[in-house]
Order: sequence, then C-alpha cells, then structure tokens
Amino acid sequence: KAGVTQTPRYLIKTRGQQVTLSCSPISGHRSVSWYQQTPGQGLQFLFEYFSETQRNKGNFPGRFSGRQFSNSRSEMNVSTLELGDSALYLCASSLRRKALPGGNEQFFGPGTRLTVL
Amino acid sequence: QKEVEQNSGPLSVPEGAIASLNCTYSDRGSQSFFWYRQYSGKSPELIMFIYSNGDKEDGRFTAQLNKASQYVSLLIRDSQPSDSATYLCAVSRSSASKIIFGSGTRLSIRP
Repeated sequence: KAGVTQTPRYLIKTRGQQVTLSCSPISGHRSVSWYQQTPGQGLQFLFEYFSETQRNKGNFPGRFSGRQFSNSRSEMNVSTLELGDSALYLCASSLRRKALPGGNEQFFGPGTRLTVL
Repeated sequence: QKEVEQNSGPLSVPEGAIASLNCTYSDRGSQSFFWYRQYSGKSPELIMFIYSNGDKEDGRFTAQLNKASQYVSLLIRDSQPSDSATYLCAVSRSSASKIIFGSGTRLSIRP
C-alpha cells in the first residue's frame, strides 16, 4: 500500500500571502488530521477531517482552514501568512474505526516545510 | 499541567543497553496509546500502540501501560545507534477523539 503523500514538500512564501497544502491518505483511510510542528511548540494539532466534515479542531486562528474531498484527499489553507507560520506541516491518516481497540492509529506523511519570509 | 508529559532529555544510553522512555497523561478516559519515533528532519513513524494494561512486545520494543497510574513507557532492548531519535508519546480518548502528543524525548545511543 502506498503511504500518505503530501505536496508540495517545500514552500517559500512571503508575509501576507496565502498557501494551500495537499494530503492524500493511505488507500481506505477516511480520516485526515493536520499538525503543525515547530522546534519550540512541538507537534500541534490543527484539525481532523472525516467523511468530508471537520470532526476535531485545535486552537489555531481562523486563518488556518481545511477541507476534505469525497476521495478523502484533504487540503489545508493558510491565509495572510505570518513569520510565525514557518513550520513543518504534517498530515496523518487513519481508519478511524468506531470500535476499539485498534483503528485509530495515525500514519504520517513526509510533511510540507513552509518558510515565510 | 500538560495533557501528555515526557522528559525532553536528551537521554543518553550506551549501545546494547536498555533504553527506557516514560510518559504520563492527565485524561483518565484515555484508551489508546501510541509511540512514534522521529528522526531529525523526518516525519513521525508509528512504532508501537497499546490499548490494554500490561506489556506489549514487538521485536526489541516493549510498550508498558498502567492506566491506574496514568503511565505508559517504551523499552528498547539492545539499543543501537540507529535508535537515536526523538520519541513521541501520544494518547487519545476514543477513535473519534483527536490524538494528543507529548513534546518528545530525545534519545541518544552512544557507541
């Protein structure tokens, strides 16, 4: 099975611009979660999409948004970029099976490294 | 109090020894527990998950869970230099809940 893929892998933008990142989950996985990772803050949860609906949300401003398509692919958008948005953006997919145990293990993509100048 | 706490390290362990990584969590309703390994510049890689109290072994890795003490640990036997990485502990309440990550423990295996 192919793993989680993210595009692009690297991005350089300037303050005030907007950016869209893409994530394709593992085949059969319907849940996609997005994280921001910085050296100072660690891995911070942004949001999760399942069946095209946002199911969970972290504590990020409204400039960060996302969506999920019917094929489970997801996009994340950041508008009005700030210097502090420079980070590694990771997406992770899971089965999100209802009954535990098992089924909500998350598998990460390689990430998109965003640099804001 | 952080939801998932880990000692940031670095934890230095001689090659061939047992590395012991610890994690505590605050939500008593947590049901799923994960360990991820992250090499510098790479994304996290799932290495173990555990749902029941007790031990779960997979090769050189053993995950230990004690829900009463809200404690989960990862043991790495016969540590190798390739085990040098940051190890992230993560917990979630249910399959519908977000997964909360700790800030990670940096492990260094010295030859």
